[in-house]
Amino acid sequence: AQSVTQLDSQVPVFEEAPVELRCNYSSSVSVYLFWYVQYPNQGLQLLLKYLSGSTLVKGINGFEAEFNKSQTSFHLRKPSVHISDTAEYFCAVLNDYKLSFGAGTTVTVRA
Amino acid sequence: DTGVSQDPRHKITKRGQNVTFRCDPISEHNRLYWYRQTLGQGPEFLTYFQNEAQLEKSRLLSDRFSAERPKGSFSTLEIQRTEQGDSAMYLCASSFDTVRGGYTFGSGTRLTVV
Repeated sequence: AQSVTQLDSQVPVFEEAPVELRCNYSSSVSVYLFWYVQYPNQGLQLLLKYLSGSTLVKGINGFEAEFNKSQTSFHLRKPSVHISDTAEYFCAVLNDYKLSFGAGTTVTVRA
Repeated sequence: DTGVSQDPRHKITKRGQNVTFRCDPISEHNRLYWYRQTLGQGPEFLTYFQNEAQLEKSRLLSDRFSAERPKGSFSTLEIQRTEQGDSAMYLCASSFDTVRGGYTFGSGTRLTVV
């Protein structure tokens, strides 16, 4: 089964600074990749997904991710973060109908 | 449609007691999933329904766990003889087209076994 690895467990960042969250996936013929955000004591909300086509994927709340097949990566970026972006972020890969999640990256935005 | 609903949001129970959680998926979604999330970890797959049929159960789901989805609508997850290791967030999700649409998650039920 395919898996993902999130390379950073915690990312502190100042407000209005850019942020990048790193995610690598295990290689496969075809891959469907997702980024989810989880605010405290809430479920997961889909930020964006890569199914096929353009390698630059735009999502909600100003986030985007780039699918890089040669590097087997799917890094998430935002050019300018807000305090409200403080949350846990999960990268996931679809195996048939099941999502396999990384361990998560905690983003803490400071003023 | 208000999304995926889970009830209760929080549950504290004594070790050895039975608990049952409910999930109401988005009405037109025929697929329903249960995941478990422990502190500091990503969600882990527990089980999956397509309509009323339970198509897969993870090895994480011991004999004390049972899930049902009567009539292909809401689902229940029961844990018998709870143990402290069962303390976690239990997440339900539903989908129509898993690839194109992805999942919609509920807010979860946080279980604490004391």
